[in-house]
Amino acid sequence: AQKITQTQPGMFVQEKEAVTLDCTYDTSDPSYGLFWYKQPSSGEMIFLIYQGSYDQQNATEGRYSLNFQKARKSANLVISASQLGDSAMYFCAMDSGGYQKVTFGTGTKLQVIP
Amino acid sequence: DVKVTQSSRYLVKRTGEKVFLECVQDMDHENMFWYRQDPGLGLRLIYFSYDVKMKEKGDIPEGYSVSREKKERFSLILESASTNQTSMYLCASSPSTTGDHGELFFGEGSRLTVL
Repeated sequence: AQKITQTQPGMFVQEKEAVTLDCTYDTSDPSYGLFWYKQPSSGEMIFLIYQGSYDQQNATEGRYSLNFQKARKSANLVISASQLGDSAMYFCAMDSGGYQKVTFGTGTKLQVIP
Repeated sequence: DVKVTQSSRYLVKRTGEKVFLECVQDMDHENMFWYRQDPGLGLRLIYFSYDVKMKEKGDIPEGYSVSREKKERFSLILESASTNQTSMYLCASSPSTTGDHGELFFGEGSRLTVL
């Protein structure tokens, strides 16, 4: 069975500072993908970044980077230079298995302070 | 613009009623998913489908069934709604097939209240 764990229910960060959101995962499949999604208060789910289990380099998308440590089974999201618009729920997710079953964590609520 | 459309944004039903939640995607995606989202519990997978007429149970399928008669449409059915099924329901689709990985595209959600 696959499992995603996000241990930080809520976090605060000062504007312009960097912040790391934690995510650990568990799967027995050798091939899997790790994702981060953002959900602002408006409710829509916004895809941020993807990391494949065989990717050698950590994924980056603009101010978002994924700190992938395979041996530790962690896939932390790093947001650099936080902005007020980054205040939202952030979900870590994983797909594995033959038919792309996607499992989500419980989320981290990030609040950016001016 | 790619789109996943859920038929109702808000529904109020009574205990014991049969409830249909409809989801349509216009991206020709193979995979479709139904999640429920509850505070503190994140998104939990109810059912998913990787092809027409194919379905797989997710982590919390009890009390739910699904139907996928056409590629673009994935329906979630609550045969006899109960108050503990009050939740936000999110439909998603993805273009991935076996061996590949792709992001999910989400609908706007259907907030169901069962009285």
